[in-house]
Amino acid sequence: AQKITQTQPGMFVQEKEAVTLDCTYDTSDPSYGLFWYKQPSSGEMIFLIYQGSYDQQNATEGRYSLNFQKARKSANLVISASQLGDSAMYFCAMSGSNTGNQFYFGTGTSLTVIP
Amino acid sequence: NAGVTQTPKFQVLKTGQSMTLQCAQDMNHEYMSWYRQDPGMGLRLIHYSVGAGITDQGEVPNGYNVSRSTTEDFPLRLLSAAPSQTSVYFCASSPRLAGGPRETQYFGPGTRLLVL
Repeated sequence: AQKITQTQPGMFVQEKEAVTLDCTYDTSDPSYGLFWYKQPSSGEMIFLIYQGSYDQQNATEGRYSLNFQKARKSANLVISASQLGDSAMYFCAMSGSNTGNQFYFGTGTSLTVIP
Repeated sequence: NAGVTQTPKFQVLKTGQSMTLQCAQDMNHEYMSWYRQDPGMGLRLIHYSVGAGITDQGEVPNGYNVSRSTTEDFPLRLLSAAPSQTSVYFCASSPRLAGGPRETQYFGPGTRLLVL
């Protein structure tokens, strides 16, 4: 079974600072993908970044990077140079090769950027 | 492309009423799924489909039915609404890729459902 754990219900960061949102996972699938989504107060789910389990390098997308530590089963999201518009809920999710396209989500982290 | 569309955006039901949440995608994606989002619970999978005519249960299927007669449409039916089904419902789609997941799911805007 797949399991995603996000242990930080709420986080605060000063504008222009970097912040790390934690995500750990558990799976027995030999191949899997890890995803991060942003959900602003308007409610839509916005895809941020993807990391494949066999990718050699950590994924980066603009100000977002994924700190992937396979042995520790962690996939933390790093947001650099935080902006006020980054205030939102952030969800970590995974999908494994043995479970088709089923996605499993963590409970989310609420990020507040302070001016 | 419109992407993934959901109707209605908001709905209020009385206990025992039935309704169908509509979901459609125009990206020719094989995989479609329904999630519910409750405070502190993240998104939980209700039902999913890997293609027309094929559906299966997710983590929280009780009280919901689905069918997939076309690639484009994946409606979610509440047969007899209960207050516990008050939630935000998201539909999502993605291509089905051999060799494991490499692409995100695309989400609809969500439907807010209140059951009184």
